[in-house]
Amino acid sequence: DIQMTQSPSSLSASLGDRVSITCRASETISDYLAWYQQKPGQVPKLLIFAASTLQSGVPSRFSGSGSGTDFTLTISGLQPEDVATYYCQKYDSAPQTFGQGTKVEIK
Amino acid sequence: EVQLVQSGAEVKKPGESLKISCQGSGYNFVSHWIGWVRQVPGKGLEWMGIIFPADSDTRYSPSFEGQVTISADKSINTAYLEWSSLKASDTAMYFCAKLERYQDAFDVWGQGSLVTVSS
Repeated sequence: DIQMTQSPSSLSASLGDRVSITCRASETISDYLAWYQQKPGQVPKLLIFAASTLQSGVPSRFSGSGSGTDFTLTISGLQPEDVATYYCQKYDSAPQTFGQGTKVEIK
Repeated sequence: EVQLVQSGAEVKKPGESLKISCQGSGYNFVSHWIGWVRQVPGKGLEWMGIIFPADSDTRYSPSFEGQVTISADKSINTAYLEWSSLKASDTAMYFCAKLERYQDAFDVWGQGSLVTVSS
């Protein structure tokens, strides 16, 4: 099965900073890649699908890029409400594995 | 409004059986895959499996195949996750979520069902 590896596992950044999280698939998955945000105590929320398409209602400071095996989630201008754990997920075929998560905090 | 409503929290003993549910509304339930995701307290999301309610086509993660059963009753727009013999290690929050199609992300999530297994 294809493995999904996120890095870093956690990061701390200042308000307004540009933050990037990477996700690497062990084999190519084209652009079948989603990003989710899970705030403490809340249900996961879909941010981006098809590697770079923003889900309706998601702020434009979030963006996604990549295809094949290497993907990036970028937050352009970190806000207090962005404190959360972010997960990538591949969905080309079952099992539709998640990455291990990246915890984002404010410095 | 598209919604997935899950059954409530459960406290069970090791060896007991359990079936939790996820009822969909506001969309054509039978035409969209529904999946289950496990989250052990303090840990990440784990994809367990998905089912297509129209014909009960089911795909499991190798990590969960044989450990749980995913099913659906299309007559009442409900998907299920079932254990025949719970273990303490099954203690977790379980989320259901729907997909628009097989190759798609989870766009709508249920509120989660907390399962606690303790003697």
